[in-house]
Amino acid sequence: DAGVIQSPRHEVTEMGQEVTLRCKPISGHNSLFWYRQTMMRGLELLIYFNNNVPIDDSGMPEDRFSAKMPNASFSTLKIQPSEPRDSAVYFCASSYLRGEQYFGPGTRLTVT
Amino acid sequence: QKEVEQDPGPLSVPEGAIVSLNCTYSNSAFQYFMWYRQYSRKGPELLMYTYSSGNKEDGRFTAQVDKSSKYISLFIRDSQPSDSATYLCAPATNAGGTSYGKLTFGQGTILTVHP
Repeated sequence: DAGVIQSPRHEVTEMGQEVTLRCKPISGHNSLFWYRQTMMRGLELLIYFNNNVPIDDSGMPEDRFSAKMPNASFSTLKIQPSEPRDSAVYFCASSYLRGEQYFGPGTRLTVT
Repeated sequence: QKEVEQDPGPLSVPEGAIVSLNCTYSNSAFQYFMWYRQYSRKGPELLMYTYSSGNKEDGRFTAQVDKSSKYISLFIRDSQPSDSATYLCAPATNAGGTSYGKLTFGQGTILTVHP
């Protein structure tokens, strides 16, 4: 298995632009998680889905952030409009029946 | 106060040393205690976990949980340069069966093992 796939691996954008991060979970996994990692705040859970349904989005920082999971093999995290404080590494992780979480390689986002 | 506190280090030790990494937590509902290892510019990967209190050993690694004092430890024996990474503790509640609730990560401790 290729593991969790994330794209792009790096994204540099200007403040105010829309950013879309993509994730393909491991085939057969039914839970998907979006995390954000910064030096100041560490690794924070933004939102997670179970069977494509958002279960807990309490970690989403504000309305500029939205996440979707249209099917079992694809999810997006969108930031619109982006701000410099959104600069971070965004990780997607997946698991089966909320067991061990497997993380993707992350997307390093820089907003200038 | 954060739910999980972890000293970020950095921690630098010579090869062969015994390493002790620690976390404290405040949520009494935590029953699963995970340790993740994260190499530079990679995603975290599960190293080992324990359920409830006690010790668990896996090769050179030992995880220890003391629920009475809400203290989590990871010991690395005979440390190697390849152990150089960030170690994150991540406790979780029990979601039923073998499932666990959302992970709450500590800040991570940066470990360097030098030859």
